[in-house]
Amino acid sequence: EVQLVESGGGLVQPGGSLRLSCAASGFSFSNYAVTWVRQAPGKGLEWISAISASGGTTYYADSVKGRFTISRDNSKDTLSLQMHSLRAEDTAVYYCAKDVSDSEWFWHYWGQGTLVTVSS
Amino acid sequence: SYEMTQPLSVSVALGQTANIICGGNSIVTKNVHWYQQKPGQAPVLVIYRDSKRPSGVPERFSGSNSGNTATLTISRAQAGDEADYYCQVWDSSTAVFGGGTKLTVL
Repeated sequence: EVQLVESGGGLVQPGGSLRLSCAASGFSFSNYAVTWVRQAPGKGLEWISAISASGGTTYYADSVKGRFTISRDNSKDTLSLQMHSLRAEDTAVYYCAKDVSDSEWFWHYWGQGTLVTVSS
Repeated sequence: SYEMTQPLSVSVALGQTANIICGGNSIVTKNVHWYQQKPGQAPVLVIYRDSKRPSGVPERFSGSNSGNTATLTISRAQAGDEADYYCQVWDSSTAVFGGGTKLTVL
């Protein structure tokens, strides 16, 4: 069974940093691209970053470019999102999701999300 | 950057057909995917590549894409279909979601 479990969310002050993780199981993690999508309270889905199966190619939304870094450790079946210079508008539930291949760029499996709250 | 427009809300009578549209410039040239999201839950893929249905998604869900409009059609709507629905494409190395449509089943 495919499982994606996010962790690392919490309360952080504006300007602070946080690292999210997504533990994958039930599939060959190294064969699939993965992505982060967030959802602010009461708002719609916002894609923020994706990474290819090998980790060699990364993509970012303009809203997080230069502040967030996506990475993966295929030996540990783990996806990460390092977030710096956090702002109030980064407050959201952060989901990781699995691509259907290495580059289809749509997502069949999602984690349950981890909440990040940026507030003083 | 590419933009897609969805109506904020759509209502459908129980057992009738709901059409949720997603508008975008020449959207027919893109692969459109649709997600269903119920309150407090993660999104669920219901249609991919315009009209394909993942295993486990009822045949009542179908999709089409033409010109500047992609459409998610839900036939014989059930109370359990009440949810937010999002279209999504990949364009210029970024993923783009529509703003979402809240489907109400009356």
